[in-house]
Formats: sequence, structure tokens, C-alpha cells
Amino acid sequence: GAGVSQSPRYKVAKRGQDVALRCDPISGHVSLFWYQQALGQGPEFLTYFQNEAQLDKSGLPSDRFFAERPEGSVSTLKIQRTQQEDSAVYLCASSLGGGQGYETQYFGPGTRLLVL
Amino acid sequence: QQPVQSPQAVILREGEDAVINCSSSKALYSVHWYRQKHGEAPVFLMILLKGGEQKGHEKISASFNEKKQQSSLYLTASQLSYSGTYFCGTEGKNNNDMRFGAGTRLTVKP
Repeated sequence: GAGVSQSPRYKVAKRGQDVALRCDPISGHVSLFWYQQALGQGPEFLTYFQNEAQLDKSGLPSDRFFAERPEGSVSTLKIQRTQQEDSAVYLCASSLGGGQGYETQYFGPGTRLLVL
Repeated sequence: QQPVQSPQAVILREGEDAVINCSSSKALYSVHWYRQKHGEAPVFLMILLKGGEQKGHEKISASFNEKKQQSSLYLTASQLSYSGTYFCGTEGKNNNDMRFGAGTRLTVKP
């Protein structure tokens, strides 16, 4: 399909385990966003890329969270030494351009992370 | 900087109308509305870019009051398919600073 895809869709991790979440944006989209969505809440901003450059990582909750987009397309969000409070749905979104105006963000289906 | 949505939840009978409000404490340059069904990705509904702008999408429309730093989403003659959680996303000057409200859960019953 032509939409944003994320994998895995579900991930169960033991506390202390490292996890890696993948996002494939829409082809040609310059901007990529990661959000964390707790149960019953709205998406909360984590980080933003324009091509391969991470322009804003102010939303990352701790230094255990790390994101990369080395070739300006696929992105990976890594969480080290997972904690129970990391349990949430992690959403990825992409948009066409970078800073040219106010653009629609297209969301992927999310990865539901459960830390036991 | 997160916008505030109201109400938190609303229950309607099919055919009834609803209004969902979104307000911000900071100057807004755009407002985005999304609908999310349980376990699915948020789906884009519309974006409002100018103060005073109104847009419509079938029987769902929205307005943007730039001076009041708020937007409202209007759902008329609601259908069962309108059920879901509605989020507003608000942006300041930069495209990358969108923040979402906590959502309004809408339930439409037969």
C-alpha cells in the first residue's frame, strides 16, 4: 500500500529489555514524526526528522529513547532498558514537505508496546 | 502547550448533532482535526489555515477563530460511522510543532 507502515504491530517486552520500532513513511515524504499515545490520551510528540536530520527531539522522555533515520526514509525508534511506564502505542506520521507550510500528517497504524 | 478539548466524551443518537471544541493558550497558525477508531491510526479530516476559515467534509465541518485561539468541529445528523475519538492538533509558526489535545470520545448509538 501507499500509506505509512509500522512494525511490529504488537510488542511485549520484559522490563529491562531493549526494543526497536520501525516506521516506513510514505514514499517521497520529507518529514517524519514519532508520537507516544497512552491509553485514552492524545498523541504526544516525541521527535521530528526532516530527511535524515533530527531537527527536534525535545519530546523524548529520557536518554533511553533514541531515534534515527539514516537514509532519510525508514526510521527506527529504539528504547533501551524498557520500563513499565514505556507501555503505550507508538505512532509514526509523515508529511510531504519540510517547513513549507502547514501540511497534513499521515499516520501509521502504530506499534502497541507492553512492558511487563 | 497542549490544546484543551471539550467535552471529553459525548454520546449521541443517530441523527443528532454535536460540537467539539479545541482551545489553545498560544497563538495558532493552523488547526488539524483527526478521527481515530479503536486500535487504528488517526485519520485526517481537515486542516484550517486561516482565522475565520470554515471547512466542510460531508456533514462534518469546522471553524477556526484565530483571535480566540480556538476551533470547533461540527457534526450534523450523526451516523454510526462517526463514532470514534476526535483529536485536534494545533500548530504555531513551525510545521514541526504540532501538539494534540487529549481527544473527545464520540459514541453514536442507533
